[in-house]
Amino acid sequence: DQQVKQNSPSLSVQEGRISILNCDYTNSMFDYFLWYKKYPAEGPTFLISISSIKDKNEDGRFTVFLNKSAKHLSLHIVPSQPGDSAVYFCAASALDGGATNKLIFGTGTLLAVQP
Amino acid sequence: NAGVTQTPKFRVLKTGQSMTLLCAQDMNHEYMYWYRQDPGMGLRLIHYSVGEGTTAKGEVPDGYNVSRLKKQNFLLGLESAAPSQTSVYFCASSYFRGGETQYFGPGTRLLVL
Repeated sequence: DQQVKQNSPSLSVQEGRISILNCDYTNSMFDYFLWYKKYPAEGPTFLISISSIKDKNEDGRFTVFLNKSAKHLSLHIVPSQPGDSAVYFCAASALDGGATNKLIFGTGTLLAVQP
Repeated sequence: NAGVTQTPKFRVLKTGQSMTLLCAQDMNHEYMYWYRQDPGMGLRLIHYSVGEGTTAKGEVPDGYNVSRLKKQNFLLGLESAAPSQTSVYFCASSYFRGGETQYFGPGTRLLVL
């Protein structure tokens, strides 16, 4: 059972426009959410995160919104640039008996920003 | 500061062969993780370690073993490789507690024939 879902395998956006990537989750125990960006043949790199006590976090062109009642988060990229073309993974974290913060990843969305 | 490094980058194995993937980090992180990435599946946790000398099972541990003899190294072993273990393997590390942000290595592409 997929606890973190990214229902759009791909998204194409024009340069300069807004990119909106969506993520849904089912586990109400998740208390921290992250977005990772991955280029081909490289490891994922951390992009932005949000705690469950917030509903918005902004970092430059990137903003993550969290709607806890809907169990939904989204990543907004404004303005989109060709260098943003990559696979974006949504991930969620819940304390596992206090031992560690294990991440549960979504399946990823391939963003293509067209010049 | 190299961050997280993985060895080898690519390997081809025959069914039944064994191999060890090496992960090293120079950030003094307590936690280390091994993931596999398969098409349409995202990243799935295989094993993880919360400190030197400790290991624990993740979501998909069967067919793999791990060891954390030194804080900076985390080894992933395949004792008898199977075609189902064809995947891209990523190692990651994070700080002790509050380390939700994990730092990933570049990955090892493994093909089992």
